[in-house]
Amino acid sequence: AQSVTQPDIHITVSEGASLELRCNYSYGATPYLFWYVQSPGQGLQLLLKYFSGDTLVQGIKGFEAEFKRSQSSFNLRKPSVHWSDAAEYFCAVGDPPGKLIFGQGTTLQVKP
Amino acid sequence: DGGITQSPKYLFRKEGQNVTLSCEQNLNHDAMYWYRQDPGQGLRLIYYSQIVNDFQKGDIAEGYSVSREKKESFPLTVTSAQKNPTAFYLCASSPWDDRLNTEAFFGQGTRLTVV
Repeated sequence: AQSVTQPDIHITVSEGASLELRCNYSYGATPYLFWYVQSPGQGLQLLLKYFSGDTLVQGIKGFEAEFKRSQSSFNLRKPSVHWSDAAEYFCAVGDPPGKLIFGQGTTLQVKP
Repeated sequence: DGGITQSPKYLFRKEGQNVTLSCEQNLNHDAMYWYRQDPGQGLRLIYYSQIVNDFQKGDIAEGYSVSREKKESFPLTVTSAQKNPTAFYLCASSPWDDRLNTEAFFGQGTRLTVV
């Protein structure tokens, strides 16, 4: 069955520290992969996406993610977290791009 | 500005009543989608539509109905048959052709509370 797993429900990091959010997927074909961010009570904003080509993709707000086919992973990273990054982050796979399977989400808290 | 508009932002419904959530897009996208979000469960697909006058059930369609009479509009009706309708509902749209290397765009959501 197709699925997405985000192993960490809640993560707390200090402002300025590095961040990695994990995402593992199970999908029959080469997936289209996405990371979205959601502030409380708001819709979803796309951070970055992977369709093909270079396995390291750059997104908005200084985020990047690396697709590792052998590990079925698409982890999100940021070298230095800002307080405004506190939000909920969702990893998703989809084909076509809107018919998505989401992970459960990871809530990021940033300590001053 | 192009985008997706969901209304209302907050909606209260009495048990046993049907309620319709509005979703309009001006992105000229062929496909539209409805997702339900519950705490700790991510988002789950309710219904989607590839084209006008056609729609398909998603993973949790029971107790919901949709229509797609216009390209721009994809209203969702939460019926009295939906056992646990209190949730945050998100509408999205995208091109259907996955070769375009694009993504889904989301509205700001409607929070439905059954009272």
